[in-house]
Amino acid sequence: DQQVKQNSPSLSVQEGRISILNCDYTNSMFDYFLWYKKYPAEGPTFLISISSIKDKNEDGRFTVFLNKSAKHLSLHIVPSQPGDSAVYFCAASEVGRAQKLVFGQGTRLTINP
Amino acid sequence: EPEVTQTPSHQVTQMGQEVILRCVPISNHLYFYWYRQILGQKVEFLVSFYNNEISEKSEIFDDQFSVERPDGSNFTLKIRSTKLEDSAMYFCASTERNEQFFGPGTRLTVL
Repeated sequence: DQQVKQNSPSLSVQEGRISILNCDYTNSMFDYFLWYKKYPAEGPTFLISISSIKDKNEDGRFTVFLNKSAKHLSLHIVPSQPGDSAVYFCAASEVGRAQKLVFGQGTRLTINP
Repeated sequence: EPEVTQTPSHQVTQMGQEVILRCVPISNHLYFYWYRQILGQKVEFLVSFYNNEISEKSEIFDDQFSVERPDGSNFTLKIRSTKLEDSAMYFCASTERNEQFFGPGTRLTVL
């Protein structure tokens, strides 16, 4: 059951450049999408979210893009910093308030100095 | 900044023993969750809790699992008779709306 998929297990980016993390989903009932960042031995930290009525949401260095027709979302981090090195999880929830989250497998982002 | 807290950070138990994992959600949140992550796998939903009752549970959340909000601040997950395959990181989360905030997790090791 892979309703949310992150096909790249790892990504390496030079400091100062743009990091682009991708996520695909299959469930058309998903209408809210979130990105979390996770360090080892810690819980997921909420980064940014987007509702299905939007196609873009920006917060500082982080921007999430949603393409509903392609069932695809992406997280852009610019400029990338060494502290951004972590595992990034895409998550989705269905219509309705406070629904459970379905997570992707995660992408390990490494920012090289 | 308010945060979700969890205790203990690490619990080691023998197979067949009962464990209780504890969480203190963010104080004004009304929705509470438990998730788990087996080493190397994705984060999986276990159960959601609202208005003092379970609102949804996954297939994983069988009769060996239970949740409780014994007072106004704590939210607990009990596993009655632990199995080896219950070894995982267990995360508590809470929310007011849609952005769920997670605790640091409890690493459960079943021997």
